[in-house]
Amino acid sequence: AQSVTQLGSHVSVSEGALVLLRCNYSSSVPPYLFWYVQYPNQGLQLLLKYTSAATLVKGINGFEAEFKKSETSFHLTKPSAHMSDAAEYFCAVRFSGGYNKLIFGAGTRLAVHP
Amino acid sequence: NAGVTQTPKFQVLKTGQSMTLQCAQDMNHEYMSWYRQDPGMGLRLIHYSVGAGITDQGEVPNGYNVSRSTTEDFPLRLLSAAPSQTSVYFCASSYGTGSGEAFFGQGTRLTVV
Repeated sequence: AQSVTQLGSHVSVSEGALVLLRCNYSSSVPPYLFWYVQYPNQGLQLLLKYTSAATLVKGINGFEAEFKKSETSFHLTKPSAHMSDAAEYFCAVRFSGGYNKLIFGAGTRLAVHP
Repeated sequence: NAGVTQTPKFQVLKTGQSMTLQCAQDMNHEYMSWYRQDPGMGLRLIHYSVGAGITDQGEVPNGYNVSRSTTEDFPLRLLSAAPSQTSVYFCASSYGTGSGEAFFGQGTRLTVV
């Protein structure tokens, strides 16, 4: 079955440390992949998306993600965490076929400590 | 640009009451959808629409109805609210296919007592 999994519901890092949020999908055909961020009491905002043009995708706020077909992964990284990065992050996929349904992972809440 | 507008932002209902959550977009998107967000479960698709007059069920459709009479509007109806429908609801819109991202409203926080 097609699915998306985010490993780690909570991730805690120190300010200035590397951020790594994991996302894996299950599909025989590479889907379209997205990362969204949600700040407290707000809607979801697009961080970046994979469109097959390049495997390394750069997004807003210094985040980037690398598509690895062999690992069916699309992990999100940021070299140096900032306090303002504290939020919940969602990986989402749109599988080929069907009516453009966007399926979300369970989310990872990122805490950044001074 | 307004984008996707949801109303109301907050709502408290008694069990058995009905209500409609409103969603409007001004981007001429074909595709609109409703999600509910619950802790630890991400966003789950309730209903979606691929154009005016066409709707379909998502992952958790029970207890909810939708209609799409215009491209701009996609209301979500709760016919008889239950405590299990306490959640945050998000409306989203996007272009029809491929890599087009979804744009989200600010959400409606619904509490059913």
